[in-house]
Amino acid sequence: KQEVTQIPAALSVPEGENLVLNCSFTDSAIYNLQWFRQDPGKGLTSLLLIQSSQREQTSGRLNASLDKSSGRSTLYIAASQPGDSATYLCAVYGSGYSTLTFGKGTMLLVSP
Amino acid sequence: ETGVTQSPTHLIKTRGQQVTLRCSSQSGHNTVSWYQQALGQGPQFIFQYYREEENGRGNFPPRFSGLQFPNYSSELNVNALELDDSALYLCASSSPRVETQYFGPGTRLLVL
Repeated sequence: KQEVTQIPAALSVPEGENLVLNCSFTDSAIYNLQWFRQDPGKGLTSLLLIQSSQREQTSGRLNASLDKSSGRSTLYIAASQPGDSATYLCAVYGSGYSTLTFGKGTMLLVSP
Repeated sequence: ETGVTQSPTHLIKTRGQQVTLRCSSQSGHNTVSWYQQALGQGPQFIFQYYREEENGRGNFPPRFSGLQFPNYSSELNVNALELDDSALYLCASSSPRVETQYFGPGTRLLVL
């Protein structure tokens, strides 16, 4: 059974810092990995999707890497802003890419 | 292009009652997945429907059931509600040609 762990559970940083969120998964036979953002009480917003054949994806100030062999992914946020405050969820698609297994998320607070 | 929509946005029920949640998939998507997200947790996969048939199920009891209609919209039904059913219920749509799932805003269910 696939298990996804995210570290840290919560993170508080001052504006402008670069930060790294970590995600690990127990079964390396994944199809894709996806990072989401969730604002309080809201649905999920997709940030980055990394296909199993890729090692990283970039979008603006966000960069996500994937190392399937070690079962790890990282989300790098450059020059953090208060608007980045949210919960960040990592999720992996199984071999059939039909369902997602999520971590519990990292709650990020960026203070002005 | 219309995104994934869910109704209602909020719902309050009492223990033992039944509830029906609704989801309209994104245009062109024939697969709908349902997830339950308890407070402070990551979403947990409930089940998935593909072309009106159940295509996979997570670790949820039979009192959680669903339907998918010819227009690919979907319902999640929960019978004999328990306090622990209080959660955000998320619907996601996709298709075999799309390598990601698109999430709706969710329905917040409170069971008293």
